[in-house]
Amino acid sequence: DTAVSQTPKYLVTQMGNDKSIKCEQNLGHDTMYWYKQDSKKFLKIMFSYNNKELIINETVPNRFSPKSPDKAHLNLHINSLELGDSAVYFCASSPPGQGATNEKLFFGSGTQLSVL
Amino acid sequence: SQKIEQNSEALNIQEGKTATLTCNYTNYSPAYLQWYRQDPGRGPVFLLLIRENEKEKRKERLKVTFDTTLKQSLFHITASQPADSATYLCALDQAGNTPLVFGKGTRLSVIA
Repeated sequence: DTAVSQTPKYLVTQMGNDKSIKCEQNLGHDTMYWYKQDSKKFLKIMFSYNNKELIINETVPNRFSPKSPDKAHLNLHINSLELGDSAVYFCASSPPGQGATNEKLFFGSGTQLSVL
Repeated sequence: SQKIEQNSEALNIQEGKTATLTCNYTNYSPAYLQWYRQDPGRGPVFLLLIRENEKEKRKERLKVTFDTTLKQSLFHITASQPADSATYLCALDQAGNTPLVFGKGTRLSVIA
């Protein structure tokens, strides 16, 4: 009964490959996010979707393409992987706000991507 | 430029003492401030949210203060336990359609 689940947990791949990370939430939330945590541990927003519609795209390269088939799923596809893409990617979701824009975020356990 | 600074990368304290973590920000106007806990290999877990018009918020052994004049939030864990050892992240919410902005975190170690 995991709230926000993402797969795979680990992803090791070669430069130039294309890979996808899947995320699903069973909390009934409308808003989902992708965050990237680099080796310096900074957690940075990449994308935000509200009810399948893109809300935020934080100047992420076009090689990254999120896809939301329904409001419970937000997948991340990455083309032509580069060494600098190595990081931990977190999916998150949040309930409708009651004043705070984002309310609290519920995070998945992360996908550690290593590009060799 | 905009900055969020959490006082130190690592903080070691004795079990039973109060841990105080600091979050300072520059050139942001957050309407809300959140604190999260992150354990190794896991995603952050929400702990507390405090609004700009609230001075203090408490939850069990946790207390958060928010001073918009000093542009600072303090996060306290009283009667700390080894199980409190983790990285604690502050996050600013400027309201509007802007994303949460996270600090780098402080790694707290509570020594028995």
